[in-house]
Amino acid sequence: QVQLVQSGAEVKKPGASVKVSCKASGYTFTSYGISWVRQAPGQGLEWMGWISAYNGNTNYAQKLQGRVTMTTDTSTSTAYMELRSLRSDDTAVYYCATGGWYPAPFDYWGQGTLVTVSS
Amino acid sequence: QSVLTQPPSASGTPGQRVTISCSGSSSNIGSNYVYWYQQLPGTAPKLLIYRNNQRPSGVPDRFSGSKSGTSASLAISGLRSEDEADYYCAAWDDSLSGFWVFGGGTKLTVL
Repeated sequence: QVQLVQSGAEVKKPGASVKVSCKASGYTFTSYGISWVRQAPGQGLEWMGWISAYNGNTNYAQKLQGRVTMTTDTSTSTAYMELRSLRSDDTAVYYCATGGWYPAPFDYWGQGTLVTVSS
Repeated sequence: QSVLTQPPSASGTPGQRVTISCSGSSSNIGSNYVYWYQQLPGTAPKLLIYRNNQRPSGVPDRFSGSKSGTSASLAISGLRSEDEADYYCAAWDDSLSGFWVFGGGTKLTVL
């Protein structure tokens, strides 16, 4: 069965960077892209971007351009999302999900990683 | 401020039918498929409806989706207590290089 297992919670100071991992299993990693979606406390879902696990092509949300980088390591079937210059409003649960290159939906989701940005 | 507009809350009694609306624009719902996700308390979202009205395997047929113009709806019939969750609509927006937009979510309470 498809599983996405994310790295553990992080606490960062404003201005720092965070890198969240998402290890996939149960399918051929390069067959699907990986999307990242975040959810601030008590708020809705926000799409951050997508990466092709096949060729590394990316599509980032405009508001995060320049601060976010998504990568994959096909040797370990792991996707990564790095967010730089963290601000307090980046505090959120970060989810990875398979799919997301339209019209493919976000099929399977990781358990989420809480990133807290606080001085 | 979410791009897609949903009512913040909805409610119903067991066995009832409830609908949740989602309103967008010509660049998203008006020209692309609508998707629905269910988020149970403290868990990750789960795909409920894709391509306007298709259910993934395992999703009961009590859940159905529809779309008309720039609006969409999720209907839940035979409401059950385990349906109490947050529901989010999503659509692809053709603006810029393309991106996903979500509704603000609707909290469904089963009375």
